[in-house]
Amino acid sequence: DIQMTQSPSSLPASLGERVTISCRASQGISNNLNWYQQKPDGTIKPLIYYTSNLQSGVPSRFSGSGSGTDYSLTISSLEPEDFAMYYCQQDASFPPTFGGGTKLELK
Amino acid sequence: EVKLLESGGGLVQPGGSMRLSCAASGFTFTDFYMYWIRQPAGKAPEWLGFIRNKANGYTTEYNPSVKGRFTISRDNTQNMLYLQMNTLRAEDTATYYCARTRWLLSLFDYWGQGVMVTVSS
Repeated sequence: DIQMTQSPSSLPASLGERVTISCRASQGISNNLNWYQQKPDGTIKPLIYYTSNLQSGVPSRFSGSGSGTDYSLTISSLEPEDFAMYYCQQDASFPPTFGGGTKLELK
Repeated sequence: EVKLLESGGGLVQPGGSMRLSCAASGFTFTDFYMYWIRQPAGKAPEWLGFIRNKANGYTTEYNPSVKGRFTISRDNTQNMLYLQMNTLRAEDTATYYCARTRWLLSLFDYWGQGVMVTVSS
């Protein structure tokens, strides 16, 4: 299975700040990388698919980039509703696997 | 509007059984692969298994960690997905989600709200 490693595991940040979350795969995944947001009530929502494509309805302050084994999610200016857990997930190779998560917290 | 709504969670003793349901609406159910994914508290989501769509014969695949204990099925007349869990262990304690994908490997574009399963005596 492909292992996904996210960093940092916790990210304190302020409203309006620009933040970046990293995700590294244990082998190349050819941009087959998705990002999800999980709210404290458990609700999971997809944000980005295939590295950089915004899912319908996701605000443009979210963006994704990367290639090979290294990928990132950037939020350009934090809004109150962005403080949540974020997970990367690869779908290059079966089985699909998730990163360990990054908790974006209010500083 | 696409909706996935799980039900059936709760407390069960080790060795016991439980069936989770996932009611789907707002889309053509038979077009999609349906997964069960679980998330232990404080950990990453983990795929448990899936059932293929109509075009691929509704066959199933399972994570080795649950193969032989868990069974996924679907009722395409009722737009329902099921997870039958037998011989439950403490390590099966988690929040369980159903999610849909267009293909075997693609974005999980809709998730249920999750249902908690606690295995404890």
